[in-house]
Amino acid sequence: EVQLVESGGGLVDPGGSLTLSCAASGFSFTNAWMSWVRQAPGKGLEWVGRIKGKADGGTTDYAAPVKGRFTISKDDSKNTLHLQMNSLNIGDTAVYYCIRNRQYSSTWFDYWGQGTLVTVSS
Amino acid sequence: QSVLTQPPSASGTPGQRVTISCSGSSSNIGTNYIYWYQQVPGTAPKLLIYRDNQRPSGVPDRISGSKSGTSASLAISGLRSEDEADYYCAAWDDSLSGVVFGGGTKLTVL
Repeated sequence: EVQLVESGGGLVDPGGSLTLSCAASGFSFTNAWMSWVRQAPGKGLEWVGRIKGKADGGTTDYAAPVKGRFTISKDDSKNTLHLQMNSLNIGDTAVYYCIRNRQYSSTWFDYWGQGTLVTVSS
Repeated sequence: QSVLTQPPSASGTPGQRVTISCSGSSSNIGTNYIYWYQQVPGTAPKLLIYRDNQRPSGVPDRISGSKSGTSASLAISGLRSEDEADYYCAAWDDSLSGVVFGGGTKLTVL
């Protein structure tokens, strides 16, 4: 059974940093493509970024609002996905979902975690 | 403002058929697959349709997807109370080099 469990959310000051983690199980993690999608309170879904699996070079792509501030990485030895977030602003307040991509597709999100809330506020 | 355009709301009575539209452009829907996600309030989204019109196992056949040109639609027939949720379309955008979502459609079962 595929399981994705996020952790690391919480309250952070504007300008601060936070790292989210996602523990994955039930599938082969090394070559899996993984993504982060966020949802601000009462708003719609917003793509954050994606990392390809090791066989595809492990390359990343990011949405414009987070490019240069956020970094997605994979620890294949621990089956864990990370999202490092720097220079956080109020607009980054959201529930962040960890997602497994299917069939090496950037848009085919077949399994979602339960989400972790990040609140940016002073 | 979302790159993909959806109506903010839709409604129907039990047993009815409802459709939700998703409008895009040649750089997203026009050249890439469309995906649909259902989100019951307070829970994580769930994949409903992949590659324009394919249903994952467990999704009933009263739910269907279609695409024509730069627009797509999600149809739900035999509407049930459990269908009350938010629905999002998504596609890869070649110009933005990223995934774009519609703004979401809140479906109410009257």
